[in-house]
Amino acid sequence: NAGVTQTPKFQVLKTGQSMTLQCAQDMNHEYMSWYRQDPGMGLRLIHYSVGAGITDQGEVPNGYNVSRSTTEDFPLRLLSAAPSQTSVYFCASSYGTGVDEQYFGPGTRLTVT
Amino acid sequence: GDSVTQMEGPVTLSEEAFLTINCTYTATGYPSLFWYVQYPGEGLQLLLKATKADDKGSNKGFEATYRKETTSFHLEKGSVQVSDSAVYFCALNLHTSGTYKYIFGTGTRLKVLA
Repeated sequence: NAGVTQTPKFQVLKTGQSMTLQCAQDMNHEYMSWYRQDPGMGLRLIHYSVGAGITDQGEVPNGYNVSRSTTEDFPLRLLSAAPSQTSVYFCASSYGTGVDEQYFGPGTRLTVT
Repeated sequence: GDSVTQMEGPVTLSEEAFLTINCTYTATGYPSLFWYVQYPGEGLQLLLKATKADDKGSNKGFEATYRKETTSFHLEKGSVQVSDSAVYFCALNLHTSGTYKYIFGTGTRLKVLA
C-alpha cells in the first residue's frame, strides 16, 4: 500500500518555466489537497478537490492550476514559475469527513531561480 | 475567522524533561482537533486526535485534551526522548461552506538534547 506519492522529490526551475507536480493516492480518498510550506508560515492551502471533476481554490491559489480527472490523481501545475514559488509542496488526501486525518505525501522541494 | 495559534519555537529540552506545546483555536462550530508531527525531510503524519469536547487523544506517550471552555488542545509528554525532535503542528477540521476545511497552526520545532 503506497499511500500518497509525489514526484519529483526535488526540482529547480528558471523564472517563467512551467511544470507539473504529480500526486497520486491509492486509498480511494475523495478529498485531496495541495499545500505549500514556508518557514514561519506553517502550511497554506493552495487548491483542493472533494472528488473527481471538482476542484476549488484555497488560501493561496494564484499562479497554480489543478485538475482532478480521476479519484487517484491530483496534479498541480505551475503556469509560469516565479521565485516567490520557491517552497516545499505537500499533497494530502482523506476520506473528507469531519473526523478524518489527512495523509501526506513526502513533499516536493521546488527552487525557482 | 477560523484559526489555530500555537506557541512559537524552537523549544529545546533535555532528555526526560516534561513537554508542553500550547495550542488554542478559534472556530465557528465544533471542530475536530489534531496534532501532526513532521520529522526532518518527511511529510506530516498524524500523532493524535480528539473529535469532541473533553476527549483525550494519546499516542506514543503524547496526549492532548479537547477543552471547549478554553478552546485549547495543548500537547504534553511526560518524558521526551531525542527521537521526539521534530516539528509539531496543531490543526482543526471544521465543516464550513458545504465542505470540511483543515486549518493548521504554524508549527513548533522541538529539539531534545541527550
